[in-house]
Amino acid sequence: QSVLTQPPSASGTPGQRVTISCSGSSSNIGSNYVYWYQQVPGTAPKLLIFRNNLRPSGVPDRFSGSKSGTSASLAISGLRSEDEADYYCAAWDDSLSGLFGGGTKLTVL
Amino acid sequence: QVTLKESGPVLVKPTETLTLTCTVSGFSLSNARLGVSWIRQPPGKALEWLAHIFSNDEKFYSTSLKSRLTISKDTSKSQVVLTMTNMDPVDTATYFCARMVGRGQPDFDYWGQGTLVTVSS
Repeated sequence: QSVLTQPPSASGTPGQRVTISCSGSSSNIGSNYVYWYQQVPGTAPKLLIFRNNLRPSGVPDRFSGSKSGTSASLAISGLRSEDEADYYCAAWDDSLSGLFGGGTKLTVL
Repeated sequence: QVTLKESGPVLVKPTETLTLTCTVSGFSLSNARLGVSWIRQPPGKALEWLAHIFSNDEKFYSTSLKSRLTISKDTSKSQVVLTMTNMDPVDTATYFCARMVGRGQPDFDYWGQGTLVTVSS
């Protein structure tokens, strides 16, 4: 069981806005940045959001991140079929180890 | 162009030691801003961070797997090596190496394609 807790699944219809949550503790999310990765099955993860709410070059502004206390969220607006993938949050822990969430499978209905 | 490529055995037997190599190009392992982590993913399951090595050779390990892991690098060969002892079928997974930017944050901007390792007798 992952230290960072995500819902196992989420879904939405094209054009909708979907949010995925990530819950941690004071030693990880509470005191460090949160990162989000998108993974299409069979491929390597892709960095989607860094330092809580920043997007790497090339990531559409439909993707946004936020953090409050020991929780974080990824929002996807204007949902598209190509957004169907697995999404993982990640954070460093003060015990000097990296952490990933359990992942959320996003289905576009 | 930055690339990372994992290599190693496809199949290992229980109790054996796994040795994986990550060969990087497009950046130097001596760059103070960069480091390399190993991350794994069992079939159908979540990502799990395993270990990290910084340019100054400082190393960090997963708390739960620390006793079984060793990470090292050969800067001249642009390679990062991970060894995991006492392999078990539950260690069957795709193993990725990824470049980390900065210190102490899971900011992985480039990933290898991953290599599937199966543990079976």
